[in-house]
Amino acid sequence: GAVVSQHPSRVICKSGTSVKIECRSLDFQATTMFWYRQFPKQSLMLMATSNEGSKATYEQGVEKDKFLINHASLTLSTLTVTSAHPEDSSFYICSASRGAFYEQYFGPGTRLTVT
Amino acid sequence: GIQVEQSPPDLILQEGANSTLRCNFSDSVNNLQWFHQNPWGQLINLFYIPSGTKQNGRLSATTVATERYSLLYISSSQTTDSGVYFCAVVLGTGTASKLTFGTGTRLQVTL
Repeated sequence: GAVVSQHPSRVICKSGTSVKIECRSLDFQATTMFWYRQFPKQSLMLMATSNEGSKATYEQGVEKDKFLINHASLTLSTLTVTSAHPEDSSFYICSASRGAFYEQYFGPGTRLTVT
Repeated sequence: GIQVEQSPPDLILQEGANSTLRCNFSDSVNNLQWFHQNPWGQLINLFYIPSGTKQNGRLSATTVATERYSLLYISSSQTTDSGVYFCAVVLGTGTASKLTFGTGTRLQVTL
């Protein structure tokens, strides 16, 4: 149990375009979902936390107008990178949790390359 | 903010060897998790361990919350154990609860 999927696994886009990444909890209801970013050979950095039906809470330094997060249901959250630039190239990972005090389960990640 | 440091940063082991990975954190935390990130980037939950000791096969973990550290033991290592090991601490409560990841230990197990 506790499987989280992400789609796509890999995406290449041109500078200036927008990209949407989906995160789904397949076998449980996720009241809370998280989005992380990981640069090569570095640790994971939390970008934002979203609770179903409410606005996402962004970490300091993360532009909420650039990284749009929608947690539309208890099994789906989306991250849209708007007007992507090469510096947005990174590995984006989502996680899902049944609630604040429960473990987080991670998706397989999405590798974004902006050319 | 809280600092989460892991040691060693890099580790090379021969297959069959044992190892201990350490996670130190600078403040009190509500919980702690250990993860293995495989070479394809997938994070795999190993342990959810706020305190005490847990074992799962060749892996075990111990957290001493009062002294602000956790240890991950890997016994009889295999090449499939290669990857990066992260500890992550849980800060905050309720909807403000979130994970802060450590610096990671990169493990390579050779034949």
